[in-house]
Amino acid sequence: GENVEQHPSTLSVQEGDSAVIKCTYSDSASNYFPWYKQELGKGPQLIIDIRSNVGEKKDQRIAVTLNKTAKHFSLHITETQPEDSAVYFCAAPLTDKLIFGTGTRLQVFP
Amino acid sequence: GAVVSQHPSWVICKSGTSVKIECRSLDFQATTMFWYRQFPKQSLMLMATSNEGSKATYEQGVEKDKFLINHASLTLSTLTVTSAHPEDSSFYICSASPGGRNEKLFFGSGTQLSVL
Repeated sequence: GENVEQHPSTLSVQEGDSAVIKCTYSDSASNYFPWYKQELGKGPQLIIDIRSNVGEKKDQRIAVTLNKTAKHFSLHITETQPEDSAVYFCAAPLTDKLIFGTGTRLQVFP
Repeated sequence: GAVVSQHPSWVICKSGTSVKIECRSLDFQATTMFWYRQFPKQSLMLMATSNEGSKATYEQGVEKDKFLINHASLTLSTLTVTSAHPEDSSFYICSASPGGRNEKLFFGSGTQLSVL
């Protein structure tokens, strides 16, 4: 089955710096990789996703890169702002389900 | 993006009572909905897959009789926690995808259940 590992568990950055969160997966057949942002007391929000036929996708300050050979994908946030502070989860599919990583608590200090 | 509405956002109940949580897809039809459970500072754990018009599929270790799921229409799934106990206290979240699969899942706002 699919196993998703996520690092780091916590990440603190200064406002304006970049943040990178990395996930590895085990099922080489996986072809869809989303990233979610969860604020305290709320449900996760899809912020970006990538399919296995591309290596990188960008949306303003957020980007996701995928290395299928190494079976890892990363979330990149540039020019971080205090409102980026949240818990971020990666996920990978297992048949008809999504398996989530353990989460990264990102803190952006002003 | 698509909107998934979940109610209530929080509920406090006495031990032994049952609690129903509703999950609605507001602007799309969802033949499949997913129910997750999340403990403080932990990841989302899939409890069950709710299928419209048929029985839910439960993950290993999740008690079917404890967590009753009903997906009676294409826009509504309900999770009932029966005979709740303090250990059932958790954050419950539903999700659904306009594509009907596990891609581009949109989540409800979650329900914080506290069992006294």
